[in-house]
Amino acid sequence: DTGVSQDPRHKITKRGQNVTFRCDPISEHNRLYWYRQTLGQGPEFLTYFQNEAQLEKSRLLSDRFSAERPKGSFSTLEIQRTEQGDSAMYLCASSLIQGQETQYFGPGTRLLVL
Amino acid sequence: AQSVTQLDSQVPVFEEAPVELRCNYSSSVSVYLFWYVQYPNQGLQLLLKYLSGSTLVKGINGFEAEFNKSQTSFHLRKPSVHISDTAEYFCAAGGTSYGKLTFGQGTILTVHP
Repeated sequence: DTGVSQDPRHKITKRGQNVTFRCDPISEHNRLYWYRQTLGQGPEFLTYFQNEAQLEKSRLLSDRFSAERPKGSFSTLEIQRTEQGDSAMYLCASSLIQGQETQYFGPGTRLLVL
Repeated sequence: AQSVTQLDSQVPVFEEAPVELRCNYSSSVSVYLFWYVQYPNQGLQLLLKYLSGSTLVKGINGFEAEFNKSQTSFHLRKPSVHISDTAEYFCAAGGTSYGKLTFGQGTILTVHP
């Protein structure tokens, strides 16, 4: 069990650029979640995958955001035309399906939009 | 919809003193409750969780929490804190069919020597 990994750990970009983040969940975990955490706040749910299917999206996830999990393993989160308000820590978590299984979090990707 | 409120944004304590971090939740459905800890520049680590059964839950690093349905609370306690407990603590509620968590705003615990 190598845990949940995220890449990159830090990203600085200019407003208007596109960025893509990657999450590798724990290998046998079917569920994968993306959360966003801004300074001084708790994480907020963005979206959820069960295997390769994206089953839930928060209203926080504007049209500029897209997430995929093409083979039910790793996931990517892309932000198009970044805005300064997108600056945050993006956290990925994974879990098993049975009941309310514990979500295991990765270290996060910290995005700064200049 | 679920909501989670952490009543203290910052809690300073001296080493070896007891501490309580307060959490209230509101939910119209069955709720599962969690406490996570976040060290600087790291992800969240699970301390403990309440799913059902005994209302007193014991977790890692000597922490425990008590589920109180009548007061809709899930306060985190530790009888004697260490410098290494300095971190931010998040209370979270689950219970949807797909396990989405709703987090509180976080409590920064600072342990002074």
